[in-house]
Amino acid sequence: QKEVEQNSGPLSVPEGAIASLNCTYSDRVSQSFFWYRQYSGKSPELIMSIYSNGDKEDGRFTAQLNKASQYVSLLIRDSQPSDSATYLCAVSRAGGYNKLIFGAGTRLAVHP
Amino acid sequence: KAGVTQTPRYLIKTRGQQVTLSCSPISGHRSVSWYQQTPGQGLQFLFEYFSETQRNKGNFPGRFSGRQFSNSRSEMNVSTLELGDSALYLCASSLVGGLAAYNEQFFGPGTRLTVL
Repeated sequence: QKEVEQNSGPLSVPEGAIASLNCTYSDRVSQSFFWYRQYSGKSPELIMSIYSNGDKEDGRFTAQLNKASQYVSLLIRDSQPSDSATYLCAVSRAGGYNKLIFGAGTRLAVHP
Repeated sequence: KAGVTQTPRYLIKTRGQQVTLSCSPISGHRSVSWYQQTPGQGLQFLFEYFSETQRNKGNFPGRFSGRQFSNSRSEMNVSTLELGDSALYLCASSLVGGLAAYNEQFFGPGTRLTVL
């Protein structure tokens, strides 16, 4: 079992819809959770971080964390074609000295 | 504020050679982490440096090494290059270097290494 699992996609949504990206992790001592966006040929860009159970909203993005279920998700409201990218879920654990464990990423395609 | 910078951006080497990649973190950031990204293995952690000390290392052979200087700039070195070392090498910097796992990491543009 991989430490961080994501559906590879592609996830195809129409412009203006809500895109829902999911991530599960296996290490119960994981403490911090991050979502990165990576455009083709570019480096990952941090878009959300979440550390406690519940929802965290930032503009059109909402991260949701459920530690009991070992599940973290990212919702993108009013999806735009410019949101088309690969979304990487990453987790770290206390005492991990900034070691991030990444999922394989979910490719999102927003079509007009 | 300038972001993370990496040099060179592209590199072509042949098997058996060695290579040194450089990373300058965001001003004020003291932790630098290195990652390797390949289509097959995804993003994998190489090592992390804070205050010139390597605090964590991923599952990579000893051919991969690094160091950090007093100004927080970091270099990584790969010796005896193999074809499988072809990858995007990413550096990430973080403001806080403590045990807490809350530190957000910001990536540089990466160095694309091709081994022929």
